[in-house]
Amino acid sequence: GEDVEQSLFLSVREGDSSVINCTYTDSSSTYLYWYKQEPGAGLQLLTYIFSNMDMKQDQRLTVLLNKKDKHLSLRIADTQTGDSAIYFCAELSSNDYKLSFGAGTTVTVRA
Amino acid sequence: DGGITQSPKYLFRKEGQNVTLSCEQNLNHDAMYWYRQDPGQGLRLIYYSQIVNDFQKGDIAEGYSVSREKKESFPLTVTSAQKNPTAFYLCASSTRGPYNEQFFGPGTRLTVL
Repeated sequence: GEDVEQSLFLSVREGDSSVINCTYTDSSSTYLYWYKQEPGAGLQLLTYIFSNMDMKQDQRLTVLLNKKDKHLSLRIADTQTGDSAIYFCAELSSNDYKLSFGAGTTVTVRA
Repeated sequence: DGGITQSPKYLFRKEGQNVTLSCEQNLNHDAMYWYRQDPGQGLRLIYYSQIVNDFQKGDIAEGYSVSREKKESFPLTVTSAQKNPTAFYLCASSTRGPYNEQFFGPGTRLTVL
């Protein structure tokens, strides 16, 4: 399958911005997603970006896509304790419409 | 309420026993998926089904089996052939087609003793 890579851990102070990075390899990806998983729960879709866009903003969330470098990032402004979770990057292949997930970045918000 | 339910939330089984995990959705989605989640490895696709009475193997299908007799239901059986079955199992569903927003269930944590 396709490879999606993320750093595993991020620690951020409450009120600061968080930036989670992701790289992918499938140049035919159509959509790229960010999911959030709280402890012991399923995944919740946070936001997505279509491959012909380079930025998308949704309240405190900003997604940046660099197709040339196959790099995706999620910025969370004014990070709160409720943002502590695992964040997964995923890409949708246009070949078979399957999602490939990264290993997840565990974000810890400290006071 | 529309959504995906998985039961049970926690499941314990003895080694060598088959066990079936339930997944039901009332979102009228055609496609359903089973993933396995292990610490530090993200989600890996076990099986998926795009339509009733049809399913395909994902990346790690060995030791698992599924059925899709009804649109709403996609049960997963973890057989005794699965070498390391202890994991968190997630079911998801979506509409078919290029925009594939998958909705996830709450997961079942299976522990094989």
